Amino acid sequence: QKEVEQDPGPLSVPEGAIVSLNCTYSNSAFQYFMWYRQYSRKGPELLMYTYSSGNKEDGRFTAQVDKSSKYISLFIRDSQPSDSATYLCAPSKGGYNKLIFGAGTRLAVHP
Amino acid sequence: DTAVSQTPKYLVTQMGNDKSIKCEQNLGHDTMYWYKQDSKKFLKIMFSYNNKELIINETVPNRFSPKSPDKAHLNLHINSLELGDSAVYFCASSQETGGFDEQYFGPGTRLTVT
Repeated sequence: QKEVEQDPGPLSVPEGAIVSLNCTYSNSAFQYFMWYRQYSRKGPELLMYTYSSGNKEDGRFTAQVDKSSKYISLFIRDSQPSDSATYLCAPSKGGYNKLIFGAGTRLAVHP
Repeated sequence: DTAVSQTPKYLVTQMGNDKSIKCEQNLGHDTMYWYKQDSKKFLKIMFSYNNKELIINETVPNRFSPKSPDKAHLNLHINSLELGDSAVYFCASSQETGGFDEQYFGPGTRLTVT
């Protein structure tokens, strides 16, 4: 079993839709849960992160972590064509411990 | 005002050759990384250096050798290139705080081995 599982998609939605992106993980030692966004032919950039369980909201984006079920979610409200990218979840134990990236979900938002 | 830069951006070479990729960060970070992203977009860490000291060394063939001349630079040298080395290689950096450390990625180097 991989440490982080993420459906690679692709996911295609109309503009304005609510998007739900998800990951599951197996290591209960993970404490930090990152979402990176990667546009085509660019490096990943940090979108949001949460520490431990709970929700975090930033504009149209909400990150959610349920440590009891080892489930990570990213919700995008009122999706825009500019949200079209690959979204990678990346949990970590923190400190010098490495990020473990999911496979990334490719999202396309069409006008 | 580039934060993490890599050279070259594209590299096309033949099997058996030796090549290097350079990375520089101007963020003052003390930790740098090399990642490999394969054709399926799977991003996997290869190495990490903190203050020029190797702290993460994943299961990577010996043909790959990182070198950190100073805190701001981490280069990747690859010997005897193979077809399977074709991928996008990303350099990243972060400031170690003991908790959450945002990693800043470079634009990537697309390596094609023919």
